Amino acid sequence: AQSVAQPEDQVNVAEGNPLTVKCTYSVSGNPYLFWYVQYPNRGLQFLLKYITGDNLVKGSYGFEAEFNKSQTSFHLKKPSALVSDSALYFCAVRDILSGGYNKLIFGAGTRLAVHP
Amino acid sequence: EPEVTQTPSHQVTQMGQEVILRCVPISNHLYFYWYRQILGQKVEFLVSFYNNEISEKSEIFDDQFSVERPDGSNFTLKIRSTKLEDSAMYFCASSERQLNTEAFFGQGTRLTVV
Repeated sequence: AQSVAQPEDQVNVAEGNPLTVKCTYSVSGNPYLFWYVQYPNRGLQFLLKYITGDNLVKGSYGFEAEFNKSQTSFHLKKPSALVSDSALYFCAVRDILSGGYNKLIFGAGTRLAVHP
Repeated sequence: EPEVTQTPSHQVTQMGQEVILRCVPISNHLYFYWYRQILGQKVEFLVSFYNNEISEKSEIFDDQFSVERPDGSNFTLKIRSTKLEDSAMYFCASSERQLNTEAFFGQGTRLTVV
């Protein structure tokens, strides 16, 4: 079964410190992986994606994510957190081989709280 | 920057009533989607739509749901006879192509069935 797991409901980090939001996936075939962020009363905003190529992908607002095939992980990272990064972060996968290549499977979300 | 817009932002309806949620996708996008998020739960895929027909739907998308692109700009989700369990945030999304591109999401419509 296809699935995405975000093992942490919440991540707390001090402003200026590095942050990591974890994501692991389980799909058949090669995954297309995405990170989205949701600010209060806003929709899901695209941050970055991994399709193929370099395992380290860079995205919006200074975020990056590392694809690790052996660990089936796609953790979101940022070298120096800002208070304005506080939001709900969703990892998602699209499995192109299952026939469901239109469909995004989302994780449960991780709330990031950055403290001044 | 182009964006997906959804109306209304909040809809309250009585059980058994029909509701139509509206979306204006990004203008050059060809693929359209509806997702929903029940409070405290995951974002779930409902349906995808391309070339004026449904290309995929989930088991959630039963006969009480329908989608339509009535003109060149709007994309609607209709729930024929709402149930209490239809209360959720409904997100519309669109993408330029299916593969290799990300979907852009609207801000959502919060549907409350009472």
